Amino acid sequence: NAGVTQTPKFQVLKTGQSMTLQCAQDMNHNSMYWYRQDPGMGLRLIYYSASEGTTDKGEVPNGYNVSRLNKREFSLRLESAAPSQTSVYFCASKSGISYNEQFFGPGTRLTVL
Amino acid sequence: SQQGEEDPQALSIQEGENATMNCSYKTSINNLQWYRQNSGRGLVHLILIRSNEREKHSGRLRVTLDTSKKSSSLLITASRAADTASYFCATDAWGGSNYKLTFGKGTLLTVNP
Repeated sequence: NAGVTQTPKFQVLKTGQSMTLQCAQDMNHNSMYWYRQDPGMGLRLIYYSASEGTTDKGEVPNGYNVSRLNKREFSLRLESAAPSQTSVYFCASKSGISYNEQFFGPGTRLTVL
Repeated sequence: SQQGEEDPQALSIQEGENATMNCSYKTSINNLQWYRQNSGRGLVHLILIRSNEREKHSGRLRVTLDTSKKSSSLLITASRAADTASYFCATDAWGGSNYKLTFGKGTLLTVNP
């Protein structure tokens, strides 16, 4: 039982390049989330998926797109990376709509030059 | 926008002492959660307190919630060096299609051996 896994762990991009961050969970959770964490800041929600087939914007969605590929996988895509997107990205999941704890992946550290 | 704000931003104590961290928030919530983040790792859920609860215990953790003052505190008793981490409060509120967590900026706790 791996929990929430994220790939890659580290990535360096040049401005304008695109990439997709992958997230998968094996806990049969319905809801999945993408956050970014910047130095001295808490986590800010980028996008979330309440259930398979649905996605919604969070607090900072500009410059990102997401795909809920199936119940297990939720990917985050940067179409044209910008230096302002340099951050640590965390994926999380939780079992359902009712309020309860989220389980986090180990994070992807992204640097955009 | 950040919902929760932790205080202090940083706290340094000796092993065996108690550590108290505070969190203030601005709007109505369904519950408040505390998470721990070790350096370079993902967040780990510690404890959840519902809006109709005033106090909750889990091992060496004690959480209080005062909804009239929109504030919460996390007390870690008999601290250990392994408690060194950043601690985040997160408020859980309905966001339209799902409950969403909004994180504060965190308190960096250092426990000196």
